[in-house]
Amino acid sequence: KAGVTQTPRYLIKTRGQQVTLSCSPISGHRSVSWYQQTPGQGLQFLFEYFSETQRNKGNFPGRFSGRQFSNSRSEMNVSTLELGDSALYLCASSLPGLETQYFGPGTRLLVL
Amino acid sequence: GNSVTQMEGPVTLSEEAFLTINCTYTATGYPSLFWYVQYPGEGLQLLLKATKADDKGSNKGFEATYRKETTSFHLEKGSVQVSDSAVYFCALSARVAGGYNKLIFGAGTRLAVHP
Repeated sequence: KAGVTQTPRYLIKTRGQQVTLSCSPISGHRSVSWYQQTPGQGLQFLFEYFSETQRNKGNFPGRFSGRQFSNSRSEMNVSTLELGDSALYLCASSLPGLETQYFGPGTRLLVL
Repeated sequence: GNSVTQMEGPVTLSEEAFLTINCTYTATGYPSLFWYVQYPGEGLQLLLKATKADDKGSNKGFEATYRKETTSFHLEKGSVQVSDSAVYFCALSARVAGGYNKLIFGAGTRLAVHP
């Protein structure tokens, strides 16, 4: 079974731009979560989607948003990029009702 | 609130040495506990997990036991290899309002194994 895939793997943007990252979960997994990883803050939870609905949100500004499609694929969007948004963005999927999350390889975003 | 504390790294060992990475947690209720590993330039890989007190998770020679009395989940391996060099994250699954879960991670411990 294919793992979680994320595209693109690397991205360079400038301040003020916006960016969209994509995540395809493991087949059959309907829950998708997003995390931000930075050297200073470590791994922080962004949000979780299930059946196209955001169920849970971390402590991030409204510039960070996401959505989930009917095929469980998910996107996250960051608007008005800031230098501090440079990070590795990780997507994870899980089966409904189960706690174990499986991660993708991440998208590394650099904001200049 | 819920939190995870890991020993600071880096941990530097010679090949075939014994490894312990300490992890303690604070949580309401009875969370599930996980160890994830991150190799350079990659995402997180699930290493092992335990879902209730006294459970032992194991995988690839790594082990960790869920100790409720000491709120700990220390990672051990009897004989490390150079290929084990990576960053190791301890995490708990925190049940939030609505009955859903999110992972709360420790800061990570970098392990460097040299020949």
